[in-house]
Amino acid sequence: AQRVTQPEKLLSVFKGAPVELKCNYSYSGSPELFWYVQYSRQRLQLLLRHISRESIKGFTADLNKGETSFHLKKPFAQEEDSAMYYCALSEENQGGKLIFGQGTELSVKP
Amino acid sequence: AAGVIQSPRHLIKEKRETATLKCYPIPRHDTVYWYQQGPGQDPQFLISFYEKMQSDKGSIPDRFSAQQFSDYHSELNMSSLELGDSALYFCASSLEGRATQYFGPGTRLLVL
Repeated sequence: AQRVTQPEKLLSVFKGAPVELKCNYSYSGSPELFWYVQYSRQRLQLLLRHISRESIKGFTADLNKGETSFHLKKPFAQEEDSAMYYCALSEENQGGKLIFGQGTELSVKP
Repeated sequence: AAGVIQSPRHLIKEKRETATLKCYPIPRHDTVYWYQQGPGQDPQFLISFYEKMQSDKGSIPDRFSAQQFSDYHSELNMSSLELGDSALYFCASSLEGRATQYFGPGTRLLVL
């Protein structure tokens, strides 16, 4: 069963529009949630982890344990945000391996 | 800053051949993870090592083996290659497991 679900394969928005990339997970323990980003022809890079509660490049994500969600949000999308975004989960006491969602390709149009 | 290095970046093999992928973690990182990403799919965890010992195992075929050496670099050995092994193989490293994982650029393997 898919542990991390990203329902949108492709999300297309115009520059300046708000963007929300959805991520839902299934895990009964205390997960650690991450968002990784992969720009064209580049390696996977960490964007956010939920325990840091930071805002990186204007992106934020809040862990909602009640809804088992970790949606990624940005109020005003920029063209340079176009990339592949992966939500990932790390289970407690499991050595840190990441379980990835299917990924969402974000396309920001001018 | 030094990043995770993977070699080779591209590899073409024929069915039933063997392949060895190498991963050089960020200096002082003691944990290495291997992931496989098939075309249009999300990365799938294969295996991990902490302090040169296997720490976890995922969906890694028996035809594959891996190890971490004394200098912390890791090698993924793949034998009896099949067409379905064609994928992007990522290596990631971290310090003390469960911390942030830093990914390498990947090795793209094509099996013909």
